[in-house]
Amino acid sequence: ETGVTQTPRHLVMGMTNKKSLKCEQHLGHNAMYWYKQSAKKPLELMFVYSLEERVENNSVPSRFSPECPNSSHLFLHLHTLQPEDSALYLCASSQDLGGEQYFGPGTRLTVT
Amino acid sequence: DQQVKQNSPSLSVQEGRISILNCDYTNSMFDYFLWYKKYPAEGPTFLISISSIKDKNEDGRFTVFLNKSAKHLSLHIVPSQPGDSAVYFCAASARFTGTYKYIFGTGTRLKVLA
Repeated sequence: ETGVTQTPRHLVMGMTNKKSLKCEQHLGHNAMYWYKQSAKKPLELMFVYSLEERVENNSVPSRFSPECPNSSHLFLHLHTLQPEDSALYLCASSQDLGGEQYFGPGTRLTVT
Repeated sequence: DQQVKQNSPSLSVQEGRISILNCDYTNSMFDYFLWYKKYPAEGPTFLISISSIKDKNEDGRFTVFLNKSAKHLSLHIVPSQPGDSAVYFCAASARFTGTYKYIFGTGTRLKVLA
């Protein structure tokens, strides 16, 4: 595998479910990011990790919980989501903070 | 408050001609600007970037221009090719004390007509 991979690619979950999104980067980068893209809205930065430490949490509701166990892996744990959380969730990595980012294909999440 | 704006949601250009995509920003603290291209069902792909200490950066058919006084940047693609048809996002980044900003515009859909 090369680049940035995300699993699953599609996810349908009920409001009471708990699920996790996984991201893995094979680029040796030091920073990883979670973004949300809703229809007709710009990409919204959710969380930023640098060297496995969270450096930014952009006022994201606590029903989204990130985890970065090492510099290659990033998770987004989901619980008691709302239908308005349905969106494309993109993971990205960069060599260092602020540099060009390499994106995964995204997970299309639908909350029913 | 949208700090990075792409006011043209779509643009159509004839193959071989120049495509010019525009982006405006409001925060003078941004010091690094990037352009990404996105095809359907894929994540954005990095195209080209420019630091605030420069006013132009060129990479093959792609050139980015930065006008700091106007808080404006543009991406020129010449000659345009049908494979360039995609959504283009500009992004601006800055590291502030205690926080970090990385803001994307809403995107411009470019269609290059054969």
